[in-house]
Amino acid sequence: SYELTQPPSVSVSPGQTASITCSGDKLGDKYACWYQQKPGQSPVLVIYEDTKRPSGIPERFSGSNSGNRATLTISGTQAMDEADYYCQAWDSSTFYVFGTGTKVTVL
Amino acid sequence: QITLKESGPTLVKPTQTLTLTCTFSGFSLSTSGVGVAWIRQPPGKALEWLALIYWDDDKRYSPSLKSRLTITKDTSKNQVVLTMTNMDPVDTATYYCAHRNCISGSCYDYYGMDVWGQGTTVTVSS
Repeated sequence: SYELTQPPSVSVSPGQTASITCSGDKLGDKYACWYQQKPGQSPVLVIYEDTKRPSGIPERFSGSNSGNRATLTISGTQAMDEADYYCQAWDSSTFYVFGTGTKVTVL
Repeated sequence: QITLKESGPTLVKPTQTLTLTCTFSGFSLSTSGVGVAWIRQPPGKALEWLALIYWDDDKRYSPSLKSRLTITKDTSKNQVVLTMTNMDPVDTATYYCAHRNCISGSCYDYYGMDVWGQGTTVTVSS
């Protein structure tokens, strides 16, 4: 089965840039999405189709996907960005697969 | 405005069958491209995709759970139902339903899931 691996945690200072990676075999050949989940809340889509932001998602969220790695970047991180982040890959054979999740802490 | 809400039992016994209902508003499952997915999350763990049903009644299932899952829709009631057989304590989780993202009327699986329900917690215990 297809697996996506994320670092368990990432720490970032307010105003700095946080990078969250998602690794999987030939992930760049698939499409990646990213979800933000705050404690006790449902996930929120922050990036789809590798790089695109849904309406209402701040510009500080950006995504990339190439080779075996997708990356979610949060520029100028704010305290409100503290949450768990999940990558999700899609292709016609594996369909939807979620990553292991990363807890982002804003120190 | 799209909303979804999950409902079903909070407690089931091992070996029983779980039936969950997703009741939605703001879209129609008879509209071309529309889809509704089920995803679960065990306590303190990652999200896991379970199943998806499309407007044309096409269905997709997680390969690891396919033998235990059935997803159906009732377009007239704006509902999607997920059944999972032979429940086990490891199936204890929050179960979410979610809307397949559409952009400017175009809907693709790689657009992800843009609106999620609040989730319903299911505990499997004797």
